[in-house]
Amino acid sequence: SQKIEQNSEALNIQEGKTATLTCNYTNYSPAYLQWYRQDPGRGPVFLLLIRENEKEKRKERLKVTFDTTLKQSLFHITASQPADSATYLCALHTGGFKTIFGAGTRLFVKA
Amino acid sequence: DGGITQSPKYLFRKEGQNVTLSCEQNLNHDAMYWYRQDPGQGLRLIYYSQIVNDFQKGDIAEGYSVSREKKESFPLTVTSAQKNPTAFYLCASTLSQATNEKLFFGSGTQLSVL
Repeated sequence: SQKIEQNSEALNIQEGKTATLTCNYTNYSPAYLQWYRQDPGRGPVFLLLIRENEKEKRKERLKVTFDTTLKQSLFHITASQPADSATYLCALHTGGFKTIFGAGTRLFVKA
Repeated sequence: DGGITQSPKYLFRKEGQNVTLSCEQNLNHDAMYWYRQDPGQGLRLIYYSQIVNDFQKGDIAEGYSVSREKKESFPLTVTSAQKNPTAFYLCASTLSQATNEKLFFGSGTQLSVL
């Protein structure tokens, strides 16, 4: 069956450290992968998109990698801040209208 | 500011009642979507619309209905046939289905059963 897996356990890190979140998928061949941020009681907000022919994408303190052989994406936040605390969703686009979302990983950054 | 407006923020449904969730966008996007979010699960697609007067079922359309009479509006009705409606409902849009790379989301409606 087709699955997207993100760490269900919350990630707790200290301010200033790098947070690394993982997204694994099976039985998909996504054209691209996206990461969204979601705050409690709010809708997700788009952060980054990486295509299947790209290995890495950066935006300010954010970095995403995409390994189609391992079927894995890593999402990094460097120099993390308490304001980065949120749930981060991984989403795959498999063609047509379909975007498939993972359940998300909750990140807590302690001051 | 351009964006997607969902209302109400909180909604309560009595047994046997139909309720309608509003979604309005001023982004001039062609494609609109309704997702359902349950704790510990990924977003699941209920319905989507590529263009005015056209819409298709997503993965969990049973017990829901939609209309797309105007480009800006895509209301979702949760019918009494939906036996487990308690969830967080998210409306989203993209410029077009062909370029649905980046979804813009509303702030959501939390629906609960009384």
